[in-house]
Amino acid sequence: EVRLVESGGVLVQPGGSLRLSCAASGFVFSDHYMGWVRQAPGQGLEWVGHIRDRANGYITQYAASVRDRFTISRDDSTNSLSLQMHSLKTEDTAVYFCVRVFRSQYFDSWGQGTLVTVSS
Amino acid sequence: QSVLTQPPSVSTAPGQKVTISCSGSTSNIGKNFVSWYQQFPGTAPKLLLYNINQRPSGIPDRFSGSKSGTSATLDITGLQPGDEAIYYCGAWDSSLSAILFGGGTKLTVL
Repeated sequence: EVRLVESGGVLVQPGGSLRLSCAASGFVFSDHYMGWVRQAPGQGLEWVGHIRDRANGYITQYAASVRDRFTISRDDSTNSLSLQMHSLKTEDTAVYFCVRVFRSQYFDSWGQGTLVTVSS
Repeated sequence: QSVLTQPPSVSTAPGQKVTISCSGSTSNIGKNFVSWYQQFPGTAPKLLLYNINQRPSGIPDRFSGSKSGTSATLDITGLQPGDEAIYYCGAWDSSLSAILFGGGTKLTVL
């Protein structure tokens, strides 16, 4: 069974930094693209970005709203995914979902999400 | 404002059929595959359909999809109260190099 478990969501002040983690199990992590999708309170889904697998050069792609502030990385030796967030804004407040991504096309597995609140 | 456009809400009676539309452009739906997600309140979304009309294991064949030009549709037949959820469409946009979602459609089974 595919399992994705996020952690790290907290209350942080505007301008601050935060790192989210995702622990993956139940599949060959190194063979899959992985990413993050977020959902602001009461709002729809927003793709944040994703990272390709080793065979595809670990290339990262990001939404325009987070490019240059967020960085996605992965550790295939520990089956973990990370999202490093800098210069956080109030509009970054959301539940962040760790997702398994099929070839930049769709998200076939989702974690339960972790809440990030950016507020003073 | 989402680049993929969905109706905010649809409603119909149990046992009936509902169609949820998703309108895009030539750079997303027009040339790439469409996916659909189902989300119940307080839970993570779940993949419902991929590659327009393919169902992951465990998704009943009451759920089907199609695409025509720059629009896609999700059809749900034999509606049940348990189908009440928010449904999102998604697609890769080749111009933006981004994965887009529609704004979501809340389905109410009256």
